[in-house]
Amino acid sequence: DAGVIQSPRHEVTEMGQEVTLRCKPISGHDYLFWYRQTMMRGLELLIYFNNNVPIDDSGMPEDRFSAKMPNASFSTLKIQPSEPRDSAVYFCASSQQGYNEQFFGPGTRLTVL
Amino acid sequence: SQQGEEDPQALSIQEGENATMNCSYKTSINNLQWYRQNSGRGLVHLILIRSNEREKHSGRLRVTLDTSKKSSSLLITASRAADTASYFCATAPSTDSWGKLQFGAGTQVVVTP
Repeated sequence: DAGVIQSPRHEVTEMGQEVTLRCKPISGHDYLFWYRQTMMRGLELLIYFNNNVPIDDSGMPEDRFSAKMPNASFSTLKIQPSEPRDSAVYFCASSQQGYNEQFFGPGTRLTVL
Repeated sequence: SQQGEEDPQALSIQEGENATMNCSYKTSINNLQWYRQNSGRGLVHLILIRSNEREKHSGRLRVTLDTSKKSSSLLITASRAADTASYFCATAPSTDSWGKLQFGAGTQVVVTP
């Protein structure tokens, strides 16, 4: 398996623009997680899905952030409008049966100017 | 808030030496996991120890878990330059039935040749 795939790997955008991050989990995994990592706040869980259904979105910073999982092999995280404080590395991870090990993608480094 | 807290925050050792880092947590857990993150990469799962286990080994890694003290330790024996990375503990709270992991802030390990 190719592992968790994320795109793009790097994104530079200007404040106010819409940003869409994409993730393809490992086939057969029924949990998908979106994290954000910054130096100041460390690794934060934004939202996670089980069988394509959002379970907990309490980590989503504000209404500017939204996430979808239309099918078992694809998820998006959208920020609209983006702000400089959204600059971070965003990771997608997937796992089987929740409590098991999580497999992380390479991350998307987002810079909002 | 972060469940696990690693100690020390940073560790610098020479090749061949052992590296030990600790993780403390606050609530009862289903399991505890350790991850490694190389600079600019996603997290990689190292080892999972369940709440009813006290010690686990994987290659040069040894993990202990003391649920009475709510703490865990990760020992890397005979360290190599390639072990240079950040190490995170993550706990699966037993109160969460869905499998959300809570990550600590990490220990940054530098192994010099």
